[in-house]
Amino acid sequence: NAGVTQTPKFQVLKTGQSMTLQCAQDMNHEYMSWYRQDPGMGLRLIHYSVGAGITDQGEVPNGYNVSRSTTEDFPLRLLSAAPSQTSVYFCASSYFGYEQYFGPGTRLTVT
Amino acid sequence: GQQLNQSPQSMFIQEGEDVSMNCTSSSIFNTWLWYKQEPGEGPVLLIALYKAGELTSNGRLTAQFGITRKDSFLNISASIPSDVGIYFCAGRVQGGSEKLVFGKGTKLTVNP
Repeated sequence: NAGVTQTPKFQVLKTGQSMTLQCAQDMNHEYMSWYRQDPGMGLRLIHYSVGAGITDQGEVPNGYNVSRSTTEDFPLRLLSAAPSQTSVYFCASSYFGYEQYFGPGTRLTVT
Repeated sequence: GQQLNQSPQSMFIQEGEDVSMNCTSSSIFNTWLWYKQEPGEGPVLLIALYKAGELTSNGRLTAQFGITRKDSFLNISASIPSDVGIYFCAGRVQGGSEKLVFGKGTKLTVNP
């Protein structure tokens, strides 16, 4: 099992550019989620999904879109990047009611 | 939104010392998870707790699900330099969704 994989590992964008952060898991987990981690703020939930075709907003969803067409993949789209979106992004997955496993993260800088 | 109060915020200890940290909330939880994060890496699960009063060990690490269901504790015995990192607690609120609530972390520094 590869677990939770994320690509790219690093990314630099200019303000206004768009991009997609990829997340995949091979554990057949129903639940997947995206977090951002900023210094002193801990982990904040952006969007989550309880299964293919079902997504919902977390604590800080503005400026991000998600979709879940398969159980394995849960991409995060930045529509028009802003410097405030400079952060480290983590994807996580779990079976319902059980422990969440995290990917290695994507470090994004928006200039 | 929901918050977990994690303390202490940071700890500086000597190698060989024992470490204790905890998380508290005003809400009742049905799951407590403890993670460790090293620089440049994602959080790695250390211990999962699902039952009030449960005490679970993973090597030198021991965590407990508080009897009140509003708190959890993590102890590290005989610390070593590779214990350095940030330790996060996370939990699921009773009757809530799958979403996890996270503490802000305890940064552990171990002096050899």
